[in-house]
Amino acid sequence: GAGVSQSPSNKVTEKGKDVELRCDPISGHTALYWYRQSLGQGLEFLIYFQGNSAPDKSGLPSDRFSAERTGGSVSTLTIQRTQQEDSAVYLCASSHTQGNEKLFFGSGTQLSVL
Amino acid sequence: KQEVTQIPAALSVPEGENLVLNCSFTDSAIYNLQWFRQDPGKGLTSLLLIQSSQREQTSGRLNASLDKSSGRSTLYIAASQPGDSATYLCAVDTGRRALTFGSGTRLQVQP
Repeated sequence: GAGVSQSPSNKVTEKGKDVELRCDPISGHTALYWYRQSLGQGLEFLIYFQGNSAPDKSGLPSDRFSAERTGGSVSTLTIQRTQQEDSAVYLCASSHTQGNEKLFFGSGTQLSVL
Repeated sequence: KQEVTQIPAALSVPEGENLVLNCSFTDSAIYNLQWFRQDPGKGLTSLLLIQSSQREQTSGRLNASLDKSSGRSTLYIAASQPGDSATYLCAVDTGRRALTFGSGTRLQVQP
């Protein structure tokens, strides 16, 4: 595709439910990142994938959060048993390789946990 | 731990003014620094990327400088236009595989 695509653009869920957020990176980009942007705060790194290497999960805030990347392309971020503090914009980005490359961001998924 | 600070948090200027946005970081051991633009409800758009060995980068009316030793970068916008209104974020890459972002400067250019 022409850019990084994220779906859904908006998600409203009830506390305790599980949600899945999808990211389709730019074709050929081997590096993929998930960030979280909470209201009035900066971007918080969640997880990073590079090719077939083991992902860097050091930013995941709790074990309720997980992500996978199938076939080195599409990624899914899963949040189990959502809490109100999970409400944020979840942004996905990709780059051609890791390091010294511009990042291209999707438009994000606005998650609201009621 | 790397920390990135952006000043001012918000800025309002009349159209046509030249302006400077500031970014500072605490750990000078960086690979590169990027400036991004974020429009309301949208993702981030990378504007300029400065490698650690470079002093500045230019793109159109934008010029970004980097002083690694003092931990500072500036984004200069010449002849500002209402379409420049957005939030501008700087981010540093310390090789940890994740960028560290500042909280951004919210710019409003008045027509």
